[in-house]
Amino acid sequence: GQQLNQSPQSMFIQEGEDVSMNCTSSSIFNTWLWYKQDPGEGPVLLIALYKAGELTSNGRLTAQFGITRKDSFLNISASIPSDVGIYFCAGQGNHGSGNTGKLIFGQGTTLQVKP
Amino acid sequence: GAGVSQSPSNKVTEKGKDVELRCDPISGHTALYWYRQSLGQGLEFLIYFQGNSAPDKSGLPSDRFSAERTGGSVSTLTIQRTQQEDSAVYLCASSLPTLSGNTEAFFGQGTRLTVV
Repeated sequence: GQQLNQSPQSMFIQEGEDVSMNCTSSSIFNTWLWYKQDPGEGPVLLIALYKAGELTSNGRLTAQFGITRKDSFLNISASIPSDVGIYFCAGQGNHGSGNTGKLIFGQGTTLQVKP
Repeated sequence: GAGVSQSPSNKVTEKGKDVELRCDPISGHTALYWYRQSLGQGLEFLIYFQGNSAPDKSGLPSDRFSAERTGGSVSTLTIQRTQQEDSAVYLCASSLPTLSGNTEAFFGQGTRLTVV
């Protein structure tokens, strides 16, 4: 079945540093989504990517949809304390060929920022 | 509604009892997902409803778990004869896929289930 590998599992950085995390898939996806989850909350959508090679920014966040359609990365520039949380990638494949198009999540990257 | 609404927000139940968790998706969203998140873990896919298509139940961990979506809107996740390992946060999301299949899924706050 479809699997997503997300890395790193956790990061502990200094405020102001840039952060990068990525996800790779065993199969092709049509959509890549990046979410952030704060404690006790549901995941909140940060960035959505729909096209291979697409590079999209949302403030200090930048994400890219890999050319092979099997990977994506998320960068956070100039980190601040409120960036603390768990970041998840999620991918969705094509409907058909035995795939229902469900959304599959990576294992998450826990980010801690030291002021 | 403005967002995905889940109820109850917290549920404590005794081992062996049945529980029902409710999800009200964003109005007009045709796709609805249920996930389970154990403490400190990622999101485990449970079930996916898309319009009138047969639901993808491939993530349900056992036959004690079932879900339905009535009228293409509200969904109920039922866990029968609950076990302690069922304790987790159950998250619901909804989306409105485009013709090209693109989607943005939005999550509710989750229901924290504790089986004692």
